[in-house]
Amino acid sequence: DTAVSQTPKYLVTQMGNDKSIKCEQNLGHDTMYWYKQDSKKFLKIMFSYNNKELIINETVPNRFSPKSPDKAHLNLHINSLELGDSAVYFCASSPPRRDSGNTIYFGEGSWLTVV
Amino acid sequence: GDSVTQMEGPVTLSEEAFLTINCTYTATGYPSLFWYVQYPGEGLQLLLKATKADDKGSNKGFEATYRKETTSFHLEKGSVQVSDSAVYFCALSDVRPSTGFQKLVFGTGTRLLVSP
Repeated sequence: DTAVSQTPKYLVTQMGNDKSIKCEQNLGHDTMYWYKQDSKKFLKIMFSYNNKELIINETVPNRFSPKSPDKAHLNLHINSLELGDSAVYFCASSPPRRDSGNTIYFGEGSWLTVV
Repeated sequence: GDSVTQMEGPVTLSEEAFLTINCTYTATGYPSLFWYVQYPGEGLQLLLKATKADDKGSNKGFEATYRKETTSFHLEKGSVQVSDSAVYFCALSDVRPSTGFQKLVFGTGTRLLVSP
């Protein structure tokens, strides 16, 4: 069983469109994340939610809106897509302990290409 | 702020060669340290971790020791295989005082290419 699953895996879309990426985890974790990996493979956190509540927002443009309907899901909606949004987006989750030693588990990534 | 610095790649080795990928970090608190691996076309997988100074993480023949005095967490493997070809990410995790929750900060990744 996939622990952190995200869909779609590949997405090609035109500039200006609105798209969503869905993420679900079946690990019973309270905390979920979105990370962005750019063309140079650099990974940076975008958002973090704990039990449906936003706890980290790393100065991401307002066009990006995460939504957490329950603690097992964290979806990412992107409005008015731009060429620079092309990247791999990773969903992740971690246990609820407030501890730096928690392992963060990643999904397989969603490859977004904006043309 | 917290940061992680990794050696630039690609690192190109022949099969059975010894591998070292350097990683150093800067952090204000007492972070935990991780190595993640990304195989071509795949997501990130945890390779190993260490949560306190002098801890050694190990997995699949890879090892890394948390060195507080040199703020380092170098990845080593005694004999690499072709199947080890991937991008390796060093990362630190610290608890943010403002939120009380964990945040993972990554290095830029090092690509390893192993030839037969």
